[in-house]
Amino acid sequence: DAGVTQSPTHLIKTRGQQVTLRCSPKSGHDTVSWYQQALGQGPQFIFQYYEEEERQRGNFPDRFSGHQFPNYSSELNVNALLLGDSALYLCASSRGLGSGNTIYFGEGSWLTVV
Amino acid sequence: GDSVTQMEGPVTLSEEAFLTINCTYTATGYPSLFWYVQYPGEGLQLLLKATKADDKGSNKGFEATYRKETTSFHLEKGSVQVSDSAVYFCALNPGGSARQLTFGSGTQLTVLP
Repeated sequence: DAGVTQSPTHLIKTRGQQVTLRCSPKSGHDTVSWYQQALGQGPQFIFQYYEEEERQRGNFPDRFSGHQFPNYSSELNVNALLLGDSALYLCASSRGLGSGNTIYFGEGSWLTVV
Repeated sequence: GDSVTQMEGPVTLSEEAFLTINCTYTATGYPSLFWYVQYPGEGLQLLLKATKADDKGSNKGFEATYRKETTSFHLEKGSVQVSDSAVYFCALNPGGSARQLTFGSGTQLTVLP
């Protein structure tokens, strides 16, 4: 049973460029969330998708956008990259929206903006 | 707003020592509480969870009890191993209409042989 898978694992972008990160949830999961983890910090919630709609959003600018596909996979897009966007981006999945549901994380995509 | 406060690290212990990592939270309502572990270069792995007051989560020798009266969820292990070296994150899910995890800043644990 594959867990949460993310791609790419590492990438380097130039300031001002755009990036797309991809995530496939754990089998049987229909809810996908994205988190940003800066070096030495805890993950910060970006947004959550369920039934192809954004259901919750954290305190991130509109440069951060996402999408969920009918097969529950998801993309995170970041436009107009800033140096401060350099971080580990984690995708998480769960079954449904219950607060006690276990949330599983992928290994993340390391983004470096130069 | 909701928040999680963890004891500051890093924490360095000798093998077989007793471990406690403190975690306190602020939340309205009745959150679910979690401990996640992150090994070097990897993503987060769920270690244990508790969904209501007085619940005890346990896994791999680690334990934590949901204490509503003290708003705490301290992580303990009776005898740590070198392989337990990692960063440990306490987190809460507030429940209700909010469905995301709020994390503490993490505690780096190093266990020496």
